[in-house]
Amino acid sequence: EAGVTQFPSHSVIEKGQTVTLRCDPISGHDNLYWYRRVMGKEIKFLLHFVKESKQDESGMPNNRFLAERTGGTYSTLKVQPAELEDSGVYFCASSQGQAQEGGAGELFFGEGSRLTVL
Amino acid sequence: RKEVEQDPGPFNVPEGATVAFNCTYSNSASQSFFWYRQDCRKEPKLLMSVYSSGNEDGRFTAQLNRASQYISLLIRDSKLSDSATYLCVAYTGRRALTFGSGTRLQVQP
Repeated sequence: EAGVTQFPSHSVIEKGQTVTLRCDPISGHDNLYWYRRVMGKEIKFLLHFVKESKQDESGMPNNRFLAERTGGTYSTLKVQPAELEDSGVYFCASSQGQAQEGGAGELFFGEGSRLTVL
Repeated sequence: RKEVEQDPGPFNVPEGATVAFNCTYSNSASQSFFWYRQDCRKEPKLLMSVYSSGNEDGRFTAQLNRASQYISLLIRDSKLSDSATYLCVAYTGRRALTFGSGTRLQVQP
């Protein structure tokens, strides 16, 4: 079974440009999460989709970030315009149930999209 | 103050050693806890859940102390393949999972 796949694996752009990251969750997983890890910091939550609906987007840093999940399948995360502080690794994760005790709803992560803004 | 705090390490231990990682969390509403493992430039992967009664999976033992808001991971008989970053993770019922910065383990031959 295919895992969570993310594209691109690495993107290098200049400040002010736009980048769109894509995540394909595990087939059948309704829950899709975006996380981000900036240099030297912990992995931080950005937002959570249940199917095509945004369940929680409280972790989105500002309105330069736009996430979509049309049709409840793959998701995109667009950064426009990109700033230097947006550099980091963007992880997507999916689960069948929501993250909770007992391992039910275990999150499966993609390998991440590394974004470098120059 | 970070919601989940870990000693970043690195912990350098010889093969066969026993090593313990600690983690504290600040949100008393945290419901569930997990240890994830992350290899260099790879994605985090669930290692084990942490139950109130403590739980063991082979060489790995996790403990939770709710009164002290403290979680631990013990690795016995360390293998070279255990070298990785270990992430302490809390779930509060919203905002999905909250991650610590990770503790780096390097097992040496």
